[in-house]
Amino acid sequence: GQQLNQSPQSMFIQEGEDVSMNCTSSSIFNTWLWYKQDPGEGPVLLIALYKAGELTSNGRLTAQFGITRKDSFLNISASIPSDVGIYFCAGLNTGTASKLTFGTGTRLQVTL
Amino acid sequence: EAQVTQNPRYLITVTGKKLTVTCSQNMNHEYMSWYRQDPGLGLRQIYYSMNVEVTDKGDVPEGYKVSRKEKRNFPLILESPSPNQTSLYFCASSFRSPDQPQHFGDGTRLSIL
Repeated sequence: GQQLNQSPQSMFIQEGEDVSMNCTSSSIFNTWLWYKQDPGEGPVLLIALYKAGELTSNGRLTAQFGITRKDSFLNISASIPSDVGIYFCAGLNTGTASKLTFGTGTRLQVTL
Repeated sequence: EAQVTQNPRYLITVTGKKLTVTCSQNMNHEYMSWYRQDPGLGLRQIYYSMNVEVTDKGDVPEGYKVSRKEKRNFPLILESPSPNQTSLYFCASSFRSPDQPQHFGDGTRLSIL
């Protein structure tokens, strides 16, 4: 199946720092989604992107749909302790199927 | 309260003993899906359903079965579980398609000995 490579795999940052992570695909997606998973819970949708080049914000989070449609980026500004968790990108190509492909995740740790 | 409910939350069982993980949603969602989560591999889709009686394979369907006889329920069936199916399983639903916000259950941790 399709593969989504997410990087970095993990990050240790200090409270107040900005965070960047990205996701790249071997194939084109029509939709990019970013989820966050808190420990012991299911993922929660953060941002959805539907158009190449689109830049969307949700509070301190900003995500971009890459122009090539093979990548996406998530930035978190001024990180706080509750940002701790695993961040997943996910891609969807509605032209072929309604299967959602997830990335391998970026584990974020925030120190005070 | 809008929710996706999975049962059981934890199960330890033995190889070959058939088991079913139930999933129910109360949001009248058409789209439902099962994922497994393994360390370093993220979430991988097992099966999904676009509506009642419409199911299709995800990326890792081998060893699993599903059914969608009613809109609210989407059980995951392991006919003959094996140790490589030890994993954390999530059920999710969305209104019509996976590009809309998916609500996830709290997960079911299965251990197959």
